[in-house]
Amino acid sequence: KAGVTQTPRYLIKTRGQQVTLSCSPISGHRSVSWYQQTPGQGLQFLFEYFSETQRNKGNFPGRFSGRQFSNSRSEMNVSTLELGDSALYLCASSSGQTLGAFFGQGTRLTVV
Amino acid sequence: DQQVKQNSPSLSVQEGRISILNCDYTNSMFDYFLWYKKYPAEGPTFLISISSIKDKNEDGRFTVFLNKSAKHLSLHIVPSQPGDSAVYFCAASPTGTASKLTFGTGTRLQVTL
Repeated sequence: KAGVTQTPRYLIKTRGQQVTLSCSPISGHRSVSWYQQTPGQGLQFLFEYFSETQRNKGNFPGRFSGRQFSNSRSEMNVSTLELGDSALYLCASSSGQTLGAFFGQGTRLTVV
Repeated sequence: DQQVKQNSPSLSVQEGRISILNCDYTNSMFDYFLWYKKYPAEGPTFLISISSIKDKNEDGRFTVFLNKSAKHLSLHIVPSQPGDSAVYFCAASPTGTASKLTFGTGTRLQVTL
């Protein structure tokens, strides 16, 4: 069974630009969550999508948005990038039951 | 406000001995807890989870204990192996599932020969 796939693995963007990250969950998993990891703040929850609907949301500004498609693949978009958005962005998929959430390798975003 | 705390940034244990990693939480709404292992530049690897209706869950060498009254959980690894050397994160959720996770700051475990 394939794991969680995130693309691209690395990305360099300029301040003010926007970026879209992609996540393909484990087959059969309908829940996809996004997390940001930075040295200063650790791992922080961005939002969760389940069956194409945002189910939970963390405390991030509206510049961070996402969506989920009918095949459960999810995209995350960050608009008007700031230097502080440089981070490892992780996607996690789960079956929605009381099991673990399984993470992808992440996308390393650098904003210059 | 750090709702999930791992007060030991690092731990060193000899191979074959028990490793005990601790985690404290403050939010009484948390009802599902997980442990992850992480290597640099990789995503966390799920190890084991426990629901708040239980006080213990075992999976092979890994056992998680939950003390709800103390708002404390621990991960026991027995016996510890060199391959267990990594950063361990505990995480908690208020949804009863593995979503909307709040992570601790991590404990670096080193298993020595």
